[in-house]
Amino acid sequence: NAGVTQTPKFQVLKTGQSMTLQCAQDMNHEYMSWYRQDPGMGLRLIHYSVGAGITDQGEVPNGYNVSRSTTEDFPLRLLSAAPSQTSVYFCASSHGWGTEAFFGQGTRLTVV
Amino acid sequence: DAKTTQPPSMDCAEGRAANLPCNHSTISGNEYVYWYRQIHSQGPQYIIHGLKNNETNEMASLIITEDRKSSTLILPHATLRDTAVYYCIVRVPLNNAGNMLTFGGGTRLMVKP
Repeated sequence: NAGVTQTPKFQVLKTGQSMTLQCAQDMNHEYMSWYRQDPGMGLRLIHYSVGAGITDQGEVPNGYNVSRSTTEDFPLRLLSAAPSQTSVYFCASSHGWGTEAFFGQGTRLTVV
Repeated sequence: DAKTTQPPSMDCAEGRAANLPCNHSTISGNEYVYWYRQIHSQGPQYIIHGLKNNETNEMASLIITEDRKSSTLILPHATLRDTAVYYCIVRVPLNNAGNMLTFGGGTRLMVKP
């Protein structure tokens, strides 16, 4: 199993550009989520999903959209990139309530 | 979710036990204690979790005080590869918010030769 796969690993965007961060998992997990981590900080939840077709906002959702059309994929869309969105983004998945979460290796995004 | 307090940094000698404390004095009866670690900006890695009994797995032991207001993660024989930021998280696993985790600042553990 590959686990949780995030692409790309690195990305540089210009202010105002849009892009999609990809996240895929091959463990048939119901729950998936996106976090961002700013330098020297802990992770903050952006959006999460408890199953295909179901998404909800986390702590810092502004500027981001998500959708969950399949169990495997949970893309994160930046609508109009801003320098404040420069961060490392992590995707995570888990099987059920309270079970361990598996994280991807992250996407390092820089908005100039 | 209950708030947690961890020391910002700790050192440990290689081969010795690393004891990482966590204070969660406002924990409620149905909240679990979880530990994750993050090695050098990689994705966080699950270590262990528990409710009120002490837990042990191949990576670590978790000791939760009887009043559940604090806990200690123990790495029995720390190696250089255990150098990481360790996060203590308390949460209710059964809620409508999926499996979201609230990360604080964590403890930066430095294992030294």
